[in-house]
Amino acid sequence: DIQMTQSPSTLSASLGDRVTITCRASQSIGGWLAWYQQKPGKAPKLLIYGASNLESGVPSRFSGSGSGTEFTLTISSLQPDDFATYYCQQYHNYLTFGQGTKVEIK
Amino acid sequence: EVQLVQSGAEVKKAGESLKISCQGSGYDFPNYWIDWVRQVPGKGLEWVGIIYPHASDDRYSPSFQGQVTISADKSTNTVYLHWSSLKASDTAMYYCARQRENIYGPGRDGLDIWGQGTMVTVSS
Repeated sequence: DIQMTQSPSTLSASLGDRVTITCRASQSIGGWLAWYQQKPGKAPKLLIYGASNLESGVPSRFSGSGSGTEFTLTISSLQPDDFATYYCQQYHNYLTFGQGTKVEIK
Repeated sequence: EVQLVQSGAEVKKAGESLKISCQGSGYDFPNYWIDWVRQVPGKGLEWVGIIYPHASDDRYSPSFQGQVTISADKSTNTVYLHWSSLKASDTAMYYCARQRENIYGPGRDGLDIWGQGTMVTVSS
């Protein structure tokens, strides 16, 4: 099984901050990586696929990068709607999710 | 509108059987893979398995193989998740979600459309 490890587990930030979340895979997954945002009581929402491709309708302040085993999700300027939990997910060999990163208000 | 609509919350006893559903609309339902994802309250996301409704081709995470069965009825655009004997540890929210593209095969893309979730509560 491919394990996905996110860091940090919790991130405290202020409006307007640049935020970066890291996701590491236990083996190379090429660019087969997606990022999701989940708010309490709601289903996850796809933000990024193919490591760096922005899903339609997702604000351009979200971006993804990386390949192989190390990936990042960046929010260029944190907005009120962005306080949520973020998950990475590999799909090189079926699906595995990271444990999540909660972005909270500082 | 492209959407997946799931059946309502269930409260069951350990040992009982259960089948929950996920109905798609607004797109070519039979020709997109559908995944099931589990989320225990307060915890992260776990992949359960996947099915291609057109062929009823199903695959499972090793953690869930033999514990659940995924099936599909393409005539009603519906996918099901079935337990023959529930355990208290099955208590969770279950989401169905559409794989974004099927170009590369099962489990080879992100999940772009999600159902609203079905909460399953199992008492011992």
